[in-house]
Amino acid sequence: GAGVSQSPSNKVTEKGKDVELRCDPISGHTALYWYRQSLGQGLEFLIYFQGNSAPDKSGLPSDRFSAERTGGSVSTLTIQRTQQEDSAVYLCASSWGVGQGTSPLHFGNGTRLTVT
Amino acid sequence: GDSVTQMEGPVTLSEEAFLTINCTYTATGYPSLFWYVQYPGEGLQLLLKATKADDKGSNKGFEATYRKETTSFHLEKGSVQVSDSAVYFCALSDRVRGSTLGRLYFGRGTQLTVWP
Repeated sequence: GAGVSQSPSNKVTEKGKDVELRCDPISGHTALYWYRQSLGQGLEFLIYFQGNSAPDKSGLPSDRFSAERTGGSVSTLTIQRTQQEDSAVYLCASSWGVGQGTSPLHFGNGTRLTVT
Repeated sequence: GDSVTQMEGPVTLSEEAFLTINCTYTATGYPSLFWYVQYPGEGLQLLLKATKADDKGSNKGFEATYRKETTSFHLEKGSVQVSDSAVYFCALSDRVRGSTLGRLYFGRGTQLTVWP
């Protein structure tokens, strides 16, 4: 079946503009995660959804960042008033969300965001 | 808090050479440990995992053993191929009560390049 799908694959935006990044998880996966991959910084956890609720938003770097998930499926990550330091690859992952943290995450190919 | 430290790259090897990428971790609970791989132009993929001490994860000729006494999960392969060129990420998922199920803490990644 299809994997995790993210769109757009690339986004170039001007500083101060808002952007929306979309993630379509694997069908049936109840858990959804957003991570950010910055050059030389590894992967940084942003937010986690179980179904439509977000029990852990602790990784969102500022109140300019928000995310929602509807119908237990598609998720949107929104960055308002983008700054140059927001430039990164934003990765979405999904999993069955069961077990003691051993259900492997399936990652999308990411959205490369460049803020000019 | 939980964290992962892995060997800085880049690592450059000739085909058929022996590979070791070091990874050590800090965790408050009982973590599961993972190695993810990111091939050029592709998303992160799970390479192997180990869920408890002394477990050995293996896949595609790669191995890693969960060593609780040294808090390590070093990745090894006896004979690398050009097709192994990728970025390798060590990660842990903690199982302490209240932790986000499936949330991964990643190392910064190690770029491996294998020359023919």
